[in-house]
Amino acid sequence: EADIYQTPRYLVIGTGKKITLECSQTMGHDKMYWYQQDPGMELHLIHYSYGVNSTEKGDLSSESTVSRIRTEHFPLTLESARPSHTSQYLCASSAHPGGAFFGQGTRLTVV
Amino acid sequence: DAKTTQPPSMDCAEGRAANLPCNHSTISGNEYVYWYRQIHSQGPQYIIHGLKNNETNEMASLIITEDRKSSTLILPHATLRDTAVYYCIVRPSSGGSYIPTFGRGTSLIVHP
Repeated sequence: EADIYQTPRYLVIGTGKKITLECSQTMGHDKMYWYQQDPGMELHLIHYSYGVNSTEKGDLSSESTVSRIRTEHFPLTLESARPSHTSQYLCASSAHPGGAFFGQGTRLTVV
Repeated sequence: DAKTTQPPSMDCAEGRAANLPCNHSTISGNEYVYWYRQIHSQGPQYIIHGLKNNETNEMASLIITEDRKSSTLILPHATLRDTAVYYCIVRPSSGGSYIPTFGRGTSLIVHP
């Protein structure tokens, strides 16, 4: 089993609140990713990191931000949540040449 | 990166083999074929990967054609728990700046 963890699994929060989605991995992988996925739809990359102090925006524009201060930790923050942010957020990590390992996801609902 | 083409959906009877095809006709010599699956509401799960030889593990077998333009993921004895979306992607062997990109995949339904 892959050792990558996301918390919380489910989050219902009011509009305007600041939230941080946590993602941690214990595999020592340099590369980490955040994807956003709506039900029945494709995964869309929103952020990625090649290592400590490296963060890049992905293909899908997102109002979230990320940080990578430690190899094992890649949190995602929304400064002011809106209903349009309602979605599932998936974190993953990888090390070449192996596959990517995903967390269980955080299902966010903004009311 | 080479793009892949997969059928949008397939179905299979429980206990039978599920053969999921993937076309990657523009694959280059240094690109691997990777397969993942995503069971409803969970994160994608890595299944298997290969370069040009056929590969087998405890989850599945991967058959890559000699010209490498297509591959087939085989679940030898499908169970109801194999119902999921299966993604075929290619990635360069050099790793480097590669970012895993998932398309729509194949939705496999295993029925009793």
